Amino acid sequence: SQKIEQNSEALNIQEGKTATLTCNYTNYSPAYLQWYRQDPGRGPVFLLLIRENEKEKRKERLKVTFDTTLKQSLFHITASQPADSATYLCAHGHQGGKLIFGQGTELSVKP
Amino acid sequence: DAGVTQSPTHLIKTRGQHVTLRCSPISGHKSVSWYQQVLGQGPQFIFQYYEKEERGRGNFPDRFSARQFPNYSSELNVNALLLGDSALYLCASSLDRGSTDTQYFGPGTRLTVL
Repeated sequence: SQKIEQNSEALNIQEGKTATLTCNYTNYSPAYLQWYRQDPGRGPVFLLLIRENEKEKRKERLKVTFDTTLKQSLFHITASQPADSATYLCAHGHQGGKLIFGQGTELSVKP
Repeated sequence: DAGVTQSPTHLIKTRGQHVTLRCSPISGHKSVSWYQQVLGQGPQFIFQYYEKEERGRGNFPDRFSARQFPNYSSELNVNALLLGDSALYLCASSLDRGSTDTQYFGPGTRLTVL
């Protein structure tokens, strides 16, 4: 079955460093992937969508890559800040509004 | 502009009871989707409604049902509650029902089944 997997281990980094989160997909080839941020007790917030032919997309300090050979998307936060601490979710959307999410990776940025 | 709103915020029920959760989409949005999120996991798709009709259904038992009203608000109903139904229930709205339409999530309803 179609599956999206993220590293379930929390990522701890120092303020100012670049955080890199990984999303792997198996058993299918999505035409695009989406990344969301979720704070504790809150709903996910959409960040970026990248299509398979875009390879890389940027938004302020955020960068997403899409490698169809490795079946992987990488999500980078440069110059990370404690306010970036949250859980980051990778997702693929299907027709009919169905989003398939990975389990999310918790990021903690220490001052 | 108000975002997606959900009520109630928290709910405690006992096994066997039923529950109704409510969602109001962003003004102008015609599509509402429901997700269940268990602690430590990503959200799992339950339903999508568009123009008051069910357009998509996830792998959930028939105890779960939903509907969408003429004003595009929506209700999620769960009957015969089980302990395993304890989760954060999220509602998301979007303008349309396309696969790339951005979904805007509400704050969720935290359901605890005892």
